[in-house]
Amino acid sequence: NAGVTQTPKFQVLKTGQSMTLQCAQDMNHEYMSWYRQDPGMGLRLIHYSVGAGITDQGEVPNGYNVSRSTTEDFPLRLLSAAPSQTSVYFCASSYWTGTSNYGYTFGSGTRLTVV
Amino acid sequence: TQLLEQSPQFLSIQEGENLTVYCNSSSVFSSLQWYRQEPGEGPVLLVTVVTGGEVKKLKRLTFQFGDARKDSSLHITAAQPGDTGLYLCAGAQDRGGSNYKLTFGKGTLLTVNP
Repeated sequence: NAGVTQTPKFQVLKTGQSMTLQCAQDMNHEYMSWYRQDPGMGLRLIHYSVGAGITDQGEVPNGYNVSRSTTEDFPLRLLSAAPSQTSVYFCASSYWTGTSNYGYTFGSGTRLTVV
Repeated sequence: TQLLEQSPQFLSIQEGENLTVYCNSSSVFSSLQWYRQEPGEGPVLLVTVVTGGEVKKLKRLTFQFGDARKDSSLHITAAQPGDTGLYLCAGAQDRGGSNYKLTFGKGTLLTVNP
């Protein structure tokens, strides 16, 4: 059972370039989300999805797009990379127990540097 | 404004000591979770608490959810170097539906020295 798989693990982009961070989960979780983690800022929610075909914005969505065509995959697209998007990006998935969110399973992260 | 305040931000102790980490808010949460993150890895779920006053134990770790569901604490007994890591609390607020969205505190970086 692989859990949540993120690719790539490391990426260097030039300002203005675009790219897609991949996220896949094999646990049949309906909920998936993207966070960025920056020193002193903690984990901040970028976008999330409560099921295939449904996405919504989080706390810091500007400059990022997402789509959810299948339950398994939730890619994050950077439209035109900026140095302010240098960060570590985490994808996470979860499911609803009927009374509460069970808890996130996180991927191991993508460390992105924009120069 | 940070919804969840964690304290202390940094904590360095000797092996065998006890410690408590706090997670406080002015908001009510339907559930609260604690995660531990090691360098270069994603956070790993330790526990979820959902009932006010609930206490859960995980070996030497004791988690408590405040009666009013606005705060939580993590107590570690006889800390070991393997406990070193970033401890994160995260709360879910019930907005009339499934409360998937979590808000994270900034974390407490714990170092346990041999």
